Amino acid sequence: GESVGLHLPTLSVQEGDNSIINCAYSNSASDYFIWYKQESGKGPQFIIDIRSNMDKRQGQRVTVLLNKTVKHLSLQIAATQPGDSAVYFCAESDGGFKTIFGAGTRLFVKA
Amino acid sequence: DVKVTQSSRYLVKRTGEKVFLECVQDMDHENMFWYRQDPGLGLRLIYFSYDVKMKEKGDIPEGYSVSREKKERFSLILESASTNQTSMYLCATRTGHSGNTIYFGEGSWLTVV
Repeated sequence: GESVGLHLPTLSVQEGDNSIINCAYSNSASDYFIWYKQESGKGPQFIIDIRSNMDKRQGQRVTVLLNKTVKHLSLQIAATQPGDSAVYFCAESDGGFKTIFGAGTRLFVKA
Repeated sequence: DVKVTQSSRYLVKRTGEKVFLECVQDMDHENMFWYRQDPGLGLRLIYFSYDVKMKEKGDIPEGYSVSREKKERFSLILESASTNQTSMYLCATRTGHSGNTIYFGEGSWLTVV
């Protein structure tokens, strides 16, 4: 199938290094944020989420940081592995039915 | 784990054909969604449903319709397929509580020739 995100921003990291992927969100009323990982030819996969009453949340090898002052979200991946190569995108919700998805960043992991 | 199953992964259809994309979820979620994903355009919402037999238009409903006869099943219908509907179609589901995570299926690649 055709690749998703042919013109996406790209981040290239060395295996074992930490990766930081950034996202600027648009709606000041958004109170719930999610990071997804999408591998080629597959559907988006939930990674981690955070609510607006938090600044930081940690998962397994991943950390999400939320800065509401500047409407910025970041995903940190520790000890990046080749299997982390994918498109990552953020999503925001204000509690309504519609979720706004970012365009995504393509992560390449060099062995 | 949430399972969202799209029965057709790859389809090739002719212009003017009627196309059905089926989606089934096993988590008893109230909300179901259909998105299309195109390079450079990201995810765009076509239709969503918040209950059986209920449907709401999303951002790009033209040329599409949906059906939700049972809670677990949400179908996307292309009444008369056109080449500009060639895309990846993603079904998704979410619990009825707003703000919760949307879970996606694996996607259906549709090519209209």
